[in-house]
Amino acid sequence: DAGVIQSPRHEVTEMGQEVTLRCKPISGHDYLFWYRQTMMRGLELLIYFNNNVPIDDSGMPEDRFSAKMPNASFSTLKIQPSEPRDSAVYFCASSLQGPGGNEQFFGPGTRLTVL
Amino acid sequence: GESVGLHLPTLSVQEGDNSIINCAYSNSASDYFIWYKQESGKGPQFIIDIRSNMDKRQGQRVTVLLNKTVKHLSLQIAATQPGDSAVYFCAETPQRGGNKLTFGTGTQLKVEL
Repeated sequence: DAGVIQSPRHEVTEMGQEVTLRCKPISGHDYLFWYRQTMMRGLELLIYFNNNVPIDDSGMPEDRFSAKMPNASFSTLKIQPSEPRDSAVYFCASSLQGPGGNEQFFGPGTRLTVL
Repeated sequence: GESVGLHLPTLSVQEGDNSIINCAYSNSASDYFIWYKQESGKGPQFIIDIRSNMDKRQGQRVTVLLNKTVKHLSLQIAATQPGDSAVYFCAETPQRGGNKLTFGTGTQLKVEL
């Protein structure tokens, strides 16, 4: 398995533009998580899905952020309109529900810069 | 609210020495703990985990110790190598099985040659 795949790896955009980040979880994983990482706030959970259904979106900063998971192999995180303070590294992670534990496998991240 | 935090933001060790990275947690209901390693430009990578019914678990060159009395978690790295240089995060969850993790703020480990 190639692991969690994210695209793009880097995104530079101007304030006010729409940004869409993409994630392909590991095949067979039941959970998908979106995180944001900044120097100031560390690693923050934005939202997570179980079997394609959003379970907890309490970490989503505001209405400008939205996330979807149309099927088990694809999820998007959209920011519209983007602002400079959204600049961060966004990680997607997936995990397999079961007695083995909560190990989450992280993708390489998308570095977003909003000018 | 409940939180997970680290005592030291930066730890410098000599190559070959042992490293100890500490983590305090406040949620008494925490049942499962994980240590992650994040190298520059990469996503966090699983190192080792431990359940609340254990107080020690060993892996390859790494040992995790859990003290539930004082809500303290530590990661010990034996014979630290340059490749161990990274940011280390502890994370916890109230239960096992794929639910969300709460991450600490991270400790930067620097290995000096």
